[in-house]
Amino acid sequence: GDSVTQMEGPVTLSEEAFLTINCTYTATGYPSLFWYVQYPGEGLQLLLKATKADDKGSNKGFEATYRKETTSFHLEKGSVQVSDSAVYFCALGNQGGKLIFGQGTELSVKP
Amino acid sequence: DAGITQSPRYKITETGRQVTLMCHQTWSHSYMFWYRQDLGHGLRLIYYSAAADITDKGEVPDGYVVSRSKTENFPLTLESATRSQTSVYFCASSAGKNTEAFFGQGTRLTVV
Repeated sequence: GDSVTQMEGPVTLSEEAFLTINCTYTATGYPSLFWYVQYPGEGLQLLLKATKADDKGSNKGFEATYRKETTSFHLEKGSVQVSDSAVYFCALGNQGGKLIFGQGTELSVKP
Repeated sequence: DAGITQSPRYKITETGRQVTLMCHQTWSHSYMFWYRQDLGHGLRLIYYSAAADITDKGEVPDGYVVSRSKTENFPLTLESATRSQTSVYFCASSAGKNTEAFFGQGTRLTVV
């Protein structure tokens, strides 16, 4: 079945460092891809999305590009802040309407 | 209040008891989802629904029952709770297939 695999955490970075969180997927057809973020004690909220191959989603300095050839949707940010500390989830929406998440990657940014 | 709300926020129940977690959304979104969140497993889909009276299994449906008689409500029932069902449960809704999903605040369920 369809699935999402993320790099394991936790990831610890210093403020202003470059961030990459890897995400790969397995799906039939042409899924939509998402990154969600979860702050402590809260539900998830959408960070960015891409609906077709080569699309780039971006928001709040975060970016991810839908790469069909490598079935990947890696999340990047050029300069992280302490306020970016959270758990990040990669997800796919398949043609049947399912929304499937990866296991999440915890990011901790130190001042 | 507009949005998606879950109740209760916290629940402790005994093994073998039936418990129902409630989810209500005010947007008339067609899609609704139930997930459980466990350390090391991320979010796993339990059930989802594309519209009223249409439900389908996710990745981990065993031990759970859902119904959707009205578009705005999507209750999740544990028919006979087990300790392995101790988890944080999230409900979500979206306007359509592959659109942004909005999440509730979660229900922390402990089965003792």
